[in-house]
Order: sequence, then C-alpha cells, then structure tokens
Amino acid sequence: DTEVTQTPKHLVMGMTNKKSLKCEQHMGHRAMYWYKQKAKKPPELMFVYSYEKLSINESVPSRFSPECPNSSLLNLHLHALQPEDSALYLCASSQDGFGTSYNEQFFGPGTRLTVL
Amino acid sequence: EDQVTQSPEALRLQEGESSSLNCSYTVSGLRGLFWYRQDPGKGPEFLFTLYSAGEEKEKERLKATLTKKESFLHITAPKPEDSATYLCAVQVQGSYINTGTASKLTFGTGTRLQVTL
Repeated sequence: DTEVTQTPKHLVMGMTNKKSLKCEQHMGHRAMYWYKQKAKKPPELMFVYSYEKLSINESVPSRFSPECPNSSLLNLHLHALQPEDSALYLCASSQDGFGTSYNEQFFGPGTRLTVL
Repeated sequence: EDQVTQSPEALRLQEGESSSLNCSYTVSGLRGLFWYRQDPGKGPEFLFTLYSAGEEKEKERLKATLTKKESFLHITAPKPEDSATYLCAVQVQGSYINTGTASKLTFGTGTRLQVTL
C-alpha cells in the first residue's frame, strides 16, 4: 500500500481564519514532507520531518506552522494567510534507511487551498 | 547550484506516435533521479527511480533511461490516458538530513504531454 491521504480536498478560507491541513500514511515511513505547488509550477518544498522532528524549514513564513503528532500523521496549521498563499498543498512520505529503495517520496492527492 | 531542466515544455502527440521527454541535470553528485506523473489538480504519482548511468526501467508504455548528464522518458505508442505532466526530480549526494531518512528533491519544471486520437 503506497497511499498517502490528505484532508480536506478543498479549503476556502479568509485571511483572518485559522485552519489545518491533515496528512496520514500507514506505510511505516519515517520521513514526511509538505510541499506547495502553484499552477504550472513544480512542487516547492516547505518542511521536512524526520523521525517526527522538524528537519528542514525552507524559510517558510510563520503563518504556516507544521506539526508531526506521530510517525503516521502530519499537520499544517494555517493562520492569517494571504491570497498569494492559494495553491495545491501536497504531503509526501518516504521510507527510512540508506538503501537505494528508501528514497522514493510518495505523494498524497493534495489539498486545494483558496485564500480570499 | 543544482539545476534540473526538462524539455520540451509541452508535447502534443497523436495516439501511437512514440516520443521521448528529456531531463537534463547539473548537480554536485547525483544520488538518484526520479520520474513522476501528475494529472491536473492531483498529487504526483511515482513512476521510476534511477541511480546510476546506464540504468533502465520500464513500466507498460514507459521506459526511463539515465546517463551522466540526462535522463529520458520514452513513451511507446502512447494512448490518450498517458496525457499528463511528467516531472523529473533529483536527489543530490549529501542531501540527507539527520539520520538519513529524509532528503530534498529538486524538481524540473515538467513536460505537459497531450495525446490525441
């Protein structure tokens, strides 16, 4: 099973709202990622969690706050977003270890976020 | 600086018309090259991983190859359902994080493929 699930599928929020995106995987992966993708652009890395610890923050504004409650779950808390933050938000996960088969990242279907 | 360039930007094929997509890369040390397929509004779907020059992998009508400077995704006798954006991404040596469980991918801008009847 190579499934990563994300909820909600679509989210519309105002600039003063607080909302959260959720991601879940049951593949035993120990690394989880948040990406942002604008139309006709490739995914851009935002955050990486490795063994439930935040390992990479790609200079993302503080209005985005990630959380990794356990090895299967990843959240992205949103607060005071701007219209330019509207995008497809993708979650991905990858296996642990140094072997060659451990590097593939498997993506979820994404959450389409619109900020009004 | 690591760079990944895909060409063409867009490709229109007739059903059954074989072609190749190109992904050229300039990196300090390649750890792996990945191909993904992405349908509009959906997450990328993993296709292949290539690790060393000369390596080839196949899946249905798709075949991925790797040289020291580029990778090709060959599409043989494509069907309309092959229409999608194809993304390549590279993982660079030394890009492991902490215990090595996670790594940063650098994506190309993708090739939008349209296959018509």
